[in-house]
Amino acid sequence: AQSVTQLDSQVPVFEEAPVELRCNYSSSVSVYLFWYVQYPNQGLQLLLKYLSGSTLVKGINGFEAEFNKSQTSFHLRKPSVHISDTAEYFCAVSESGGSEKLVFGKGTKLTVNP
Amino acid sequence: KAGVTQTPRYLIKTRGQQVTLSCSPISGHRSVSWYQQTPGQGLQFLFEYFSETQRNKGNFPGRFSGRQFSNSRSEMNVSTLELGDSALYLCASSLTGQNYGYTFGSGTRLTVV
Repeated sequence: AQSVTQLDSQVPVFEEAPVELRCNYSSSVSVYLFWYVQYPNQGLQLLLKYLSGSTLVKGINGFEAEFNKSQTSFHLRKPSVHISDTAEYFCAVSESGGSEKLVFGKGTKLTVNP
Repeated sequence: KAGVTQTPRYLIKTRGQQVTLSCSPISGHRSVSWYQQTPGQGLQFLFEYFSETQRNKGNFPGRFSGRQFSNSRSEMNVSTLELGDSALYLCASSLTGQNYGYTFGSGTRLTVV
């Protein structure tokens, strides 16, 4: 079974500052990894995904994440955030080539202050 | 192109009643998944359908069921509603599955009173 730990439940930052949202996972098999963003009263939007290949994955809205197999981590980064990035971010894992089930972390609420 | 459409957006039901939620996936998408989102438990997988067949099921009681039609539209049903079923129910669709990533709808907010 897989599990995901998002280490910070809330991250406040100032506009134009860099941000890193941390995600660690646990799995006994190979995994796919995802980051989703949820704006208030909306569904989830896929930011980026790691299936295989290059460990540095670039996504939409200037976000990127790095897969680190030895540390079982998949941290999300953005070099300069905007007010509009204020949202909740979810890290998710699924078994590669197996069940379609996504296992989500509890989420990190990112608040960007002016 | 149109996204994933979930209806209704909001629903209020009484304990003991049953409810049916609807999901229209993106045109051409054949995989549909359902998730329950609550403040306490977070996002939990309910089930996934592909070409009218349930491929995967989460750890929910039998009161939760679903189906997928030949046009890929999906419905989920919850019978004998309990207060704890109050949640945001999210539907997601994908071309064939996780490899392509899932596109989520805006959800149906179910309140059980």
